[in-house]
Amino acid sequence: KNEVEQSPQNLTAQEGEFITINCSYSVGISALHWLQQHPGGGIVSLFMLSSGKKKHGRLIATINIQEKHSSLHITASHPRDSAVYICAVNKGAQKLVFGQGTRLTINP
Amino acid sequence: DGGITQSPKYLFRKEGQNVTLSCEQNLNHDAMYWYRQDPGQGLRLIYYSQIVNDFQKGDIAEGYSVSREKKESFPLTVTSAQKNPTAFYLCASSRQGPNEQFFGPGTRLTVL
Repeated sequence: KNEVEQSPQNLTAQEGEFITINCSYSVGISALHWLQQHPGGGIVSLFMLSSGKKKHGRLIATINIQEKHSSLHITASHPRDSAVYICAVNKGAQKLVFGQGTRLTINP
Repeated sequence: DGGITQSPKYLFRKEGQNVTLSCEQNLNHDAMYWYRQDPGQGLRLIYYSQIVNDFQKGDIAEGYSVSREKKESFPLTVTSAQKNPTAFYLCASSRQGPNEQFFGPGTRLTVL
């Protein structure tokens, strides 16, 4: 079993819909990251959080340390949000353990 | 502009040849990382370095080697001992500790 599990693996939605991607982990962590990978392969860091909730534009990330679970929400989704979203956790100070990613497709 | 660069974007090599992938950063980060990404799998850590002249094996180091002679550079050599080298390779850097990692654009290596 992977230490970081994401669901769903694939998600297709219509423009404007509210999107939720989930991440569960089975190890103790010091921080959790949400990353976005574009079709060309480049990866951008969206959030790093260790408790509570963070918001940036239409993106919201939450984490529940007791339940070892995090969610990434996208409000008013747009075709340009189409990408692979990756959850990763810091097990130690430096190393990241990655989920397999969620491929999101937003249709106009 | 501050950032992290990898070159080339696409690389083709014949089986049995060693190949070196370049990674350079001007973010003044102490820590640098090499990851491998295969279709349908999460990123896996090959090697990482927390400081100049020091590096540690990641989860899949066999068949790879690295050096960290300068703070801004962390080249990865894919040796002929790597059984299945065709993959997408990503380099990243960060400050020390559990911090945001900044990724390069990646190098797609194909071994023919």
